[in-house]
Amino acid sequence: KQEVTQIPAALSVPEGENLVLNCSFTDSAIYNLQWFRQDPGKGLTSLLLIQSSQREQTSGRLNASLDKSSGRSTLYIAASQPGDSATYLCAVFEDSNYQLIWGAGTKLIIKP
Amino acid sequence: NAGVTQTPKFQVLKTGQSMTLQCAQDMNHEYMSWYRQDPGMGLRLIHYSVGAGITDQGEVPNGYNVSRSTTEDFPLRLLSAAPSQTSVYFCASKTGGRTGELFFGEGSRLTVL
Repeated sequence: KQEVTQIPAALSVPEGENLVLNCSFTDSAIYNLQWFRQDPGKGLTSLLLIQSSQREQTSGRLNASLDKSSGRSTLYIAASQPGDSATYLCAVFEDSNYQLIWGAGTKLIIKP
Repeated sequence: NAGVTQTPKFQVLKTGQSMTLQCAQDMNHEYMSWYRQDPGMGLRLIHYSVGAGITDQGEVPNGYNVSRSTTEDFPLRLLSAAPSQTSVYFCASKTGGRTGELFFGEGSRLTVL
């Protein structure tokens, strides 16, 4: 059974730092992996989608990588800003039951 | 661009009442789904649909019904609300197949007294 783990559960860093959020999964037979952010009381916003054949995707200050063989993905945030404070979730899409399997999220706080 | 639209945003029900949460998307997505999000439980899939006329159960389907008569709409029905159904509900959609990006609505916060 696929399991998705996000470490750390919470992270607090000063503004301006570069940081990495981690997502690991137990079964490499995935179609894609998607990173989301969720602000308190809000819905989920898609950040990056990486297909299984891709190694990385970039959007602005965000870069997501995927290593299927090791079951890992990282979300790199460059030059962090207080507006980046949110909970970041990753999810993998697998074929066995046409569902996304979710990590529990990393709560990120960027201190001004 | 409307994307995924959910209504209502907030609702209070009494135990035993019924209601429907509405979800509509204007992106011509084949796949639509309903999640609930509870503190400490993460996102859990309730029901999903891979196209008009097709629905299937997710992880926590009990107490909920869905239908998909059109591509655009995917309503979630609570037939007899229970306090355990107090939660935040999210509708999400994506293109068909395995490779599409999932887009979420802003959520519906439901309280059952």
